[in-house]
Amino acid sequence: AAGVIQSPRHLIKEKRETATLKCYPIPRHDTVYWYQQGPGQDPQFLISFYEKMQSDKGSIPDRFSAQQFSDYHSELNMSSLELGDSALYFCASSLIQGPTYEQYFGPGTRLTVT
Amino acid sequence: GQQVMQIPQYQHVQEGEDFTTYCNSSTTLSNIQWYKQRPGGHPVFLIQLVKSGEVKKQKRLTFQFGEAKKNSSLHITATQTTDVGTYFCAGMFFGDAGGTSYGKLTFGQGTILTVHP
Repeated sequence: AAGVIQSPRHLIKEKRETATLKCYPIPRHDTVYWYQQGPGQDPQFLISFYEKMQSDKGSIPDRFSAQQFSDYHSELNMSSLELGDSALYFCASSLIQGPTYEQYFGPGTRLTVT
Repeated sequence: GQQVMQIPQYQHVQEGEDFTTYCNSSTTLSNIQWYKQRPGGHPVFLIQLVKSGEVKKQKRLTFQFGEAKKNSSLHITATQTTDVGTYFCAGMFFGDAGGTSYGKLTFGQGTILTVHP
């Protein structure tokens, strides 16, 4: 079965640079979520999109922005990177109209800011 | 703010022993989900609980949702080495308008389970 695809899997950037993370949800899923997971921490919700519209916002810094495109893939844009942005970034997708609200997580993008 | 507290942070057991992790929210949850994350992996959905007092079982795993829908537990009977990983509860709260806030899962801190053979 198709899973959530994230690219790149690893990314190394320097401070003050920009980064773009991409997410391809499971086909026919209507909702995409972005999470940030620091070392030894739980995933922190950043932002979500339902049918290409922003549906909820969490602890996403103003330096970050995200959007979902007509083909349902999503991108997380991160500018003016800081050392503290080093983390695992997960994208997840779900079908809200389904029987459960389970979220399917992608493999993650490991961002290292030096 | 809306928080989900999870204990214990770590649990070391001998293979064959039981394991339990607990989650608690200060406010009523719409539903609670449980995820397992293996070292170096991504969270994998285990189960969702929606109804007050709900109990669900998956082989050796038993999940409970409290009557007030503010707490939950995961119990593993006779642990195996394949159970190793971090177990997260994740709560979904009601939105400001009263409906379910579909966009946000609030994760507990997770319980890291290690199993000694």
